[in-house]
Amino acid sequence: EAGVTQSPTHLIKTRGQQATLRCSPISGHTSVYWYQQALGLGLQFLLWYDEGEERNRGNFPPRFSGRQFPNYSSELNVNALELEDSALYLCASSLGGVLYEQYFGPGTRLTVT
Amino acid sequence: KNEVEQSPQNLTAQEGEFITINCSYSVGISALHWLQQHPGGGIVSLFMLSSGKKKHGRLIATINIQEKHSSLHITASHPRDSAVYICAVIRGAGNTPLVFGKGTRLSVIA
Repeated sequence: EAGVTQSPTHLIKTRGQQATLRCSPISGHTSVYWYQQALGLGLQFLLWYDEGEERNRGNFPPRFSGRQFPNYSSELNVNALELEDSALYLCASSLGGVLYEQYFGPGTRLTVT
Repeated sequence: KNEVEQSPQNLTAQEGEFITINCSYSVGISALHWLQQHPGGGIVSLFMLSSGKKKHGRLIATINIQEKHSSLHITASHPRDSAVYICAVIRGAGNTPLVFGKGTRLSVIA
C-alpha cells in the first residue's frame, strides 16, 4: 500500500512569491493534516482537512491556506512568502479524525530567499 | 510554559543501553503519540496510547493519565535508534489537532 506522498521534495522561492505544496493521503484516509517545522523549532500544526472541509486551523496568518479535493488529496498555499516561512512542511493523513493514528509524508522543504 | 514538555532534550547512549525518554503534559488529553524523526526529516508514528502500556519490538511506551506523564523506553539500544523522538498529545475530547513537545535528540554510539 502506498504511503503519504508529497510534492515537490524541495522548493525554492523568493520573498513575496507564492508557493503551492501538494499531498496525497493513503488510500481510504479522509483526514489530511499540514504541519510546519522551522529550523530549530518543533512541529507546529497548520491545517486539518476532513471530507473536503477545513476542521481546524493553527495559529498562522491567513496567507497560509489550503484545500482538500474530492479525492482527498490536499494543497497548501503560502502567499506573499517571507524569509521565516523557510521550513520543512509535513503532511499526514489518517482515517476520519485526530483519534486515529497519523501517517506522515516525507515533507517538502521550502526555502525562501 | 509549553503544554507538552520532554526530557531530556539531548541524550547520548552507548549501544546496548536501556533508554528512557519522558513526556509531561499539563492539559487533559484524549490520547498521546510518540513519533520518531530521522535526520532526513521523515516522521514515523511509533505509538498512540490513551492508557496503560504498549510494546513493539524493543520499544515500550507507558502512560499515566492521572500523573499526566508518559515514557518511551528503548531496550538494547542500537545506533539505528539515533533520531529525534517527539511526544504529541490530543487535547480534550479529541476534536483538536496534535500539540507537540520539542523532541528529544538521541544518539546511540557503537
